[in-house]
Amino acid sequence: KQEVTQIPAALSVPEGENLVLNCSFTDSAIYNLQWFRQDPGKGLTSLLLIQSSQREQTSGRLNASLDKSSGRSTLYIAASQPGDSATYLCAVGDYGQNFVFGPGTRLSVLP
Amino acid sequence: SQTIHQWPATLVQPVGSPLSLECTVEGTSNPNLYWYRQAAGRGLQLLFYSVGIGQISSEVPQNLSASRPQDRQFILSSKKLLLSDSGFYLCAWRDRGYTEAFFGQGTRLTVV
Repeated sequence: KQEVTQIPAALSVPEGENLVLNCSFTDSAIYNLQWFRQDPGKGLTSLLLIQSSQREQTSGRLNASLDKSSGRSTLYIAASQPGDSATYLCAVGDYGQNFVFGPGTRLSVLP
Repeated sequence: SQTIHQWPATLVQPVGSPLSLECTVEGTSNPNLYWYRQAAGRGLQLLFYSVGIGQISSEVPQNLSASRPQDRQFILSSKKLLLSDSGFYLCAWRDRGYTEAFFGQGTRLTVV
């Protein structure tokens, strides 16, 4: 059974810092991995999708990497801003049409 | 472009009452549809998913059921709510072929 963990559980940084969020999964037989952002009381907003054949994806200040063999993905946020404050979730897509979520990293960017 | 609608946004229901949450998707055909629950301080738990009309797979035995009466409509139901059914319910969709998943804005259900 696929298990997904995220480290750290919470992170507080001053504005302008570059930061890395980590996601680990136990079963490397994945089809893709997706990073989401969730604001308090809101739904999930898709940030980046990485297919299993890809190594990384970039969107603006965000860069996500995938190392399927080691069961890890990282989300890199450059020049963090207070508006980046949210919970970041990674989800691993398996071949059974499902995706399994990690518990999330709660990010606070202080002005 | 594709959009997903989920309603209501908030709901307060007494224990033992029925439940019906609706999710519809526009701008796509034959999507995979999902219901997730997010309990306070916990991760997202997959409840049901559907790959077609009338096809429902349940991931967790519970007091809830799901139905897909139309291609782009997914309904989460309960005949009698329990206190433990409280939580944040999220509907999601994605096209076939393991593409990007998109979520609705969620329904905050409080059972009192």
